[in-house]
Amino acid sequence: AQTVTQSQPEMSVQEAETVTLSCTYDTSESDYYLFWYKQPPSRQMILVIRQEAYKQQNATENRFSVNFQKAAKSFSLKISDSQLGDAAMYFCAYCHSNYQLIWGAGTKLIIKP
Amino acid sequence: NAGVMQNPRHLVRRRGQEARLRCSPMKGHSHVYWYRQLPEEGLKFMVYLQKENIIDESGMPKERFSAEFPKEGPSILRIQQVVRGDSAAYFCASSRLRTGFEGYTFGSGTRLTVV
Repeated sequence: AQTVTQSQPEMSVQEAETVTLSCTYDTSESDYYLFWYKQPPSRQMILVIRQEAYKQQNATENRFSVNFQKAAKSFSLKISDSQLGDAAMYFCAYCHSNYQLIWGAGTKLIIKP
Repeated sequence: NAGVMQNPRHLVRRRGQEARLRCSPMKGHSHVYWYRQLPEEGLKFMVYLQKENIIDESGMPKERFSAEFPKEGPSILRIQQVVRGDSAAYFCASSRLRTGFEGYTFGSGTRLTVV
């Protein structure tokens, strides 16, 4: 069975600095998708970035980028120039073609002003 | 361009009562998924529906839980005879395609509290 592990329950970063959130997963599939979702206190689950496993190039969305290491089954999220509005729970999720999202337990990101 | 609408946002039920959670998918989306989030945990898949069809309910408890997505109207997640352990946040997501690459659009969830 596929699993997703986020080993950092909580991370803190100074405003304007860079932080990296870790995610590892376990699967025997070769074709799948990976996502990072952000959940602020409002509870809304917001898609931050996504990656197709067959693409070697790491996805980027403005200040957010990933380091996708397929062989190591690692999918970390880097947030550059951290802003107060980035404070939230961040969830890593895996999806094979069967549509179910498998979620990690989340990392709470604290931004220090 | 309304997103996924869930209501109510908060729901309090006494043990033994019924809880009905509603979800209207994003316009143009015909695939609906329900997830449950327990405190300090990630989401857990419950059920996947298309209009008038349950495609996969493998994550849903066999008893007391049911879901529907009628031809007209929102998707409904129904929990009968609620117990304290049902207290959680219930999220609905929708997608345009069955496969997940485009990502799923989530609602803001319904927080169910059983007292």
